[in-house]
Amino acid sequence: DTQMTQSPSSLSASVGDRVTITCRASQGISDYLAWFQQRPGKAPKSLIYAASILQRGVPSNFSGSGSGTDFTLTISSLQPEDVATYYCQQYYTYPYTFGQGTKLEIK
Amino acid sequence: DVHLVESGGGLVQPGGSLRLSCAASGFTFSNFWMSWVRQAPGKGLEWVANIDDDGSDTYYVDSVKGRFTVSRDNAHNLLFLQMSNLRAEDTAVYYCAKIFSHTFDYWGQGTLVTVSS
Repeated sequence: DTQMTQSPSSLSASVGDRVTITCRASQGISDYLAWFQQRPGKAPKSLIYAASILQRGVPSNFSGSGSGTDFTLTISSLQPEDVATYYCQQYYTYPYTFGQGTKLEIK
Repeated sequence: DVHLVESGGGLVQPGGSLRLSCAASGFTFSNFWMSWVRQAPGKGLEWVANIDDDGSDTYYVDSVKGRFTVSRDNAHNLLFLQMSNLRAEDTAVYYCAKIFSHTFDYWGQGTLVTVSS
């Protein structure tokens, strides 16, 4: 199975900060990488697919990059509503696998 | 708007069975692959199963192979997950998700399955 490792596991940042979350795959997955946001007590929401393409309706302060084994999710200016746990997911090969999650809080 | 509504969760004893349903609306259901993803209490997301658009191909995580069956009724825009021989480790919120470009674009609100005696 392809292991997905996110870092950090948690982080605290101030409103307006630029935030970066990284995701590393245990083997090359091309750009078959998605990012999801899960606010507390809510269902996941899809943010990005194909490593860098924003899902419809996702604010432009979210961006994704990377290919192969190393990927990043960036929030250019942190907002209070961005408090959530973020997950990466590979869909290059079965079984689909998720990272363990990065919990983002406001300082 | 795309809308996915799961139902059928509940409390079941170890070794028991349960069938989850997901009612889809707001898109042409028969044109899209669908998926089930679960989340154990306080834990991360785990992909469970995929089904192709006409129900002819299915894919499962190893831990549920032989116990879970994903199916669909395109005439009624319904997705199902038949779960049997349930174990305590199957306790989770189960989400149905629409697949677009091989990954998930829309998610339901989830239904809780608790396996306990």
